[in-house]
Amino acid sequence: DTGVSQDPRHKITKRGQNVTFRCDPISEHNRLYWYRQTLGQGPEFLTYFQNEAQLEKSRLLSDRFSAERPKGSFSTLEIQRTEQGDSAMYLCASSAVPKNIQYFGAGTRLSVL
Amino acid sequence: AQSVTQPDIHITVSEGASLELRCNYSYGATPYLFWYVQSPGQGLQLLLKYFSGDTLVQGIKGFEAEFKRSQSSFNLRKPSVHWSDAAEYFCAVGALEYGNKLVFGAGTILRVKS
Repeated sequence: DTGVSQDPRHKITKRGQNVTFRCDPISEHNRLYWYRQTLGQGPEFLTYFQNEAQLEKSRLLSDRFSAERPKGSFSTLEIQRTEQGDSAMYLCASSAVPKNIQYFGAGTRLSVL
Repeated sequence: AQSVTQPDIHITVSEGASLELRCNYSYGATPYLFWYVQSPGQGLQLLLKYFSGDTLVQGIKGFEAEFKRSQSSFNLRKPSVHWSDAAEYFCAVGALEYGNKLVFGAGTILRVKS
């Protein structure tokens, strides 16, 4: 069990560029969650998948954001036309139904200049 | 709406002293409760969890928490703090009815003085 892996750990981009983050969950975890954490705040829910199905999206997830989990394994989170307000730590977590104890990755810190 | 309140933004304790971090929640369903710890620039590590049963739960690193339904609280405690406990602590609540997505408090930063 290698834990939840996120790549990259850090991303610096210019406003207006597109970025993509990857999350590899703990193997055989069928649920995968994305959260966003800004400075001084707790993580906020963005979206989650059960296997390959995206079951819920937060209102925080504007149409510039898209997440996929094509084969029910790894997931990607893409942000198009980044804005300075997108600067945050993006956290991925995975869990196994039914207990659904969420284990987090180290996060991807995005800085939009 | 679901919410979690951690009333203390910062807490400073002396090494070896006891610790209690407060957490109150407002939730429209039977909650699952968690405490996570985060070191600077890192992800969240699970300290302990409550689903049902015994309201006093034990976690890693000598931490424990007590669920009090009547007070909607889930306070974290440790009898003797170590310098390595300095970090940020988050209380979180989830429920099966809400897809088990977690709602987090704003966190409490723990400083340990020697």
